[in-house]
Amino acid sequence: GAVVSQHPSRVICKSGTSVKIECRSLDFQATTMFWYRQFPKKSLMLMATSNEGSKATYEQGVEKDKFLINHASLTLSTLTVTSAHPEDSSFYICSASKLAGERNTQYFGPGTRLTVL
Amino acid sequence: AQSVTQPDIHITVSEGASLELRCNYSYGATPYLFWYVQSPGQGLQLLLKYFSGDTLVQGIKGFEAEFKRSQSSFNLRKPSVHWSDAAEYFCAVGETDKLIFGTGTRLQVFP
Repeated sequence: GAVVSQHPSRVICKSGTSVKIECRSLDFQATTMFWYRQFPKKSLMLMATSNEGSKATYEQGVEKDKFLINHASLTLSTLTVTSAHPEDSSFYICSASKLAGERNTQYFGPGTRLTVL
Repeated sequence: AQSVTQPDIHITVSEGASLELRCNYSYGATPYLFWYVQSPGQGLQLLLKYFSGDTLVQGIKGFEAEFKRSQSSFNLRKPSVHWSDAAEYFCAVGETDKLIFGTGTRLQVFP
């Protein structure tokens, strides 16, 4: 199997607060984890790529100081949205690729719905 | 630049009818191609993938896709659609370790 979990599934917070989202690979070790953002009725936008023990690589236009990514182990990556504002409200999805898996094959978590009031 | 095009934003079919979702890609080398399905409010589930070899790929839930290099296409098919297939379908091409997604096709199934 290749199961990826995310926690929480849904979060509502006040503007100015920070929110942490966890992404875990439950039954495999992940070399790389990816964080996506999905707007309503839109495709997935890659925000950043993270490898265990190293700094994340952010896509152009994504503020690394706002979206903090930590990849502490081969099964856990976290995304922290700092000083969240209503425009950060979105559906955030993580994915993971296996340590010894086929290239480019990513397994996705169920997503986290963030609402900033 | 690499890109993926899904020409159909929304498709409606009757339950039991056949289905074909189109996907065209632009990629310099031999592509790694994927189809994912997303149910409302959920993450993405991998339906099938093509890396090399047989150009007709079988996936889960009765789906298949055919890689046609001459047409730069990787269309998804299913001979008989079930109501539970209603969802958003994404085609993607692999670039280094990243995936480039199409804009998705929303499938609606009528009983």
